[in-house]
Amino acid sequence: DAKTTQPPSMDCAEGRAANLPCNHSTISGNEYVYWYRQIHSQGPQYIIHGLKNNETNEMASLIITEDRKSSTLILPHATLRDTAVYYCIVRVTQGAQKLVFGQGTRLTINP
Amino acid sequence: DAGVIQSPRHEVTEMGQEVTLRCKPISGHNSLFWYRQTMMRGLELLIYFNNNVPIDDSGMPEDRFSAKMPNASFSTLKIQPSEPRDSAVYFCASSLQNGGYGYTFGSGTRLTVV
Repeated sequence: DAKTTQPPSMDCAEGRAANLPCNHSTISGNEYVYWYRQIHSQGPQYIIHGLKNNETNEMASLIITEDRKSSTLILPHATLRDTAVYYCIVRVTQGAQKLVFGQGTRLTINP
Repeated sequence: DAGVIQSPRHEVTEMGQEVTLRCKPISGHNSLFWYRQTMMRGLELLIYFNNNVPIDDSGMPEDRFSAKMPNASFSTLKIQPSEPRDSAVYFCASSLQNGGYGYTFGSGTRLTVV
């Protein structure tokens, strides 16, 4: 699976959009971009994933660049409960099943 | 569905003792994963099963660790003998094999070996 690079930490004001970047310059054509988050003391939680088109669900939006070498997770109206470590992972959906976590971005939402 | 259920939530044991962690995956999921999380090493994949069969145990740190999945609804991770460096939070996760919607994680077992 391709490696990803994320900033170690970010801050965002409550109510504003939080934009979390991820670089995955070695991504292969059959690899998806997945985002998970881990709130303190809890297990990681799936947020969203995509291949090349932008995706949106009730939690977040995922913007993938046209060359697929980077992506941005957007939390449109961040709340204090969004404070967590956010992990960007690239992997194939079928076949290899490993989900390998990096260090992620520690997002702090400030009141 | 109650999600992935792990037990116990907390375990404190003395060095040298056997420890068994338990996991009940989501009904219908046919892939199961054991992870370990520490401050120093982050989240590490220890082993995973597809259809109750171990597929990759390359993350298991040493022979003191073993994992079994006797049926589709139950898995155990055993450490024998335990050592202080095994202290960590152990997570179990399940998913549909080849499913695109990610893993569902349990709440974890916090293990302390003294």
